[in-house]
Amino acid sequence: QQQVKQSPQSLIVQKGGISIINCAYENTAFDYFPWYQQFPGKGPALLIAIRPDVSEKKEGRFTISFNKSAKQFSLHIMDSQPGDSATYFCAASRGGGSNYKLTFGKGTLLTVNP
Amino acid sequence: EAGVAQSPRYKIIEKRQSVAFWCNPISGHATLYWYQQILGQGPKLLIQFQNNGVVDDSQLPKDRFSAERLKGVDSTLKIQPAKLEDSAVYLCASSPVAVEQYFGPGTRLTVT
Repeated sequence: QQQVKQSPQSLIVQKGGISIINCAYENTAFDYFPWYQQFPGKGPALLIAIRPDVSEKKEGRFTISFNKSAKQFSLHIMDSQPGDSATYFCAASRGGGSNYKLTFGKGTLLTVNP
Repeated sequence: EAGVAQSPRYKIIEKRQSVAFWCNPISGHATLYWYQQILGQGPKLLIQFQNNGVVDDSQLPKDRFSAERLKGVDSTLKIQPAKLEDSAVYLCASSPVAVEQYFGPGTRLTVT
């Protein structure tokens, strides 16, 4: 059972455009929703994260929008740059302290053309 | 601050052979995770340690995979015997008490 569904699988955007990646989850017990960025040959790195008590969080050019009733959240990358080309993973977790575990989506390969 | 270290970075073995991966987490991080990332998929948690103890190993194929964390610091993940479907990147991550996980560069395993 895939608990976090991510789309699209791949995305091509022109430099300066907006990249949008969507995720949907099933488990209403999830209470932490991070996005990770992964470059080839590297491990995933935390980009931005949100908790369900807010509907939006912005950090620089990256924004998470969260819709609790629809059980969906999305990543928006404004003014996309070629350096943003990477694979992006949404994830979800429940619990805290030592019981914190991440469930990842399958990833979106983003290509930003110059 | 030094990141999570993993070795080796690449490993090629034949099926039915054994292999071991090593992870050195960020200093002071109590929680350590091993993930399996198959090509084209997101990381899947294999095992989670809190200091020396195992918190969750529900998705670890225990008939062939084993892991230990030495003195609550370094950790090794072993596969014996390896199967073709074990070809993947094995990621180690560590975390302080807070929720954020820091990933190492991974070990790419190819089983032929």
